[in-house]
Amino acid sequence: AQSVTQPDIHITVSEGASLELRCNYSYGATPYLFWYVQSPGQGLQLLLKYFSGDTLVQGIKGFEAEFKRSQSSFNLRKPSVHWSDAAEYFCAVGLSGGYNKLIFGAGTRLAVHP
Amino acid sequence: NAGVTQTPKFRILKIGQSMTLQCTQDMNHNYMYWYRQDPGMGLKLIYYSVGAGITDKGEVPNGYNVSRSTTEDFPLRLELAAPSQTSVYFCASSRTPPEQYFGPGTRLTVT
Repeated sequence: AQSVTQPDIHITVSEGASLELRCNYSYGATPYLFWYVQSPGQGLQLLLKYFSGDTLVQGIKGFEAEFKRSQSSFNLRKPSVHWSDAAEYFCAVGLSGGYNKLIFGAGTRLAVHP
Repeated sequence: NAGVTQTPKFRILKIGQSMTLQCTQDMNHNYMYWYRQDPGMGLKLIYYSVGAGITDKGEVPNGYNVSRSTTEDFPLRLELAAPSQTSVYFCASSRTPPEQYFGPGTRLTVT
């Protein structure tokens, strides 16, 4: 069965430090890959997506993610974290066919220390 | 564009009551979805629709019903509310699946 794993439930970083959030997926083919961010009390906002082509994708708010087929991973990175980045981050896999559903990971909650 | 809007933002229900969560999108998207979000569990798909008049079950449909009479609206009906339905509910829409755009959510408590 298809699944998405985000190994880190909580991560705390200092403002200005670099960030990497991990995401691994289990799927037989190359999936569509997404990262969403959810600020407290808000809905989910699309940060970036990968469908095909260049495996390093750029998103909004200075985030990027790299697709590594050999590791079935799609890790999210940011070189310098801002206090406003504190939120919950969800990795999702989009499956082709049928209604093209999204399968979400359980999320990683990011805290940023001043 | 308002995008995807949901009402209400918060609601408290007593066990056995019923209610409808409203979802409207102004992007003319054919695909619409309802999810529930439980702590530490990510989002689970309740129902989805591929166009007006066409709906189908997702992963966790029990206790819910939907209808899609127009492209814009996709209400979710809870009949006989139970404590297990305490959750945050998100509506989403899509022009080109699987990329989806989400509403702000409805936080529902059943006591």
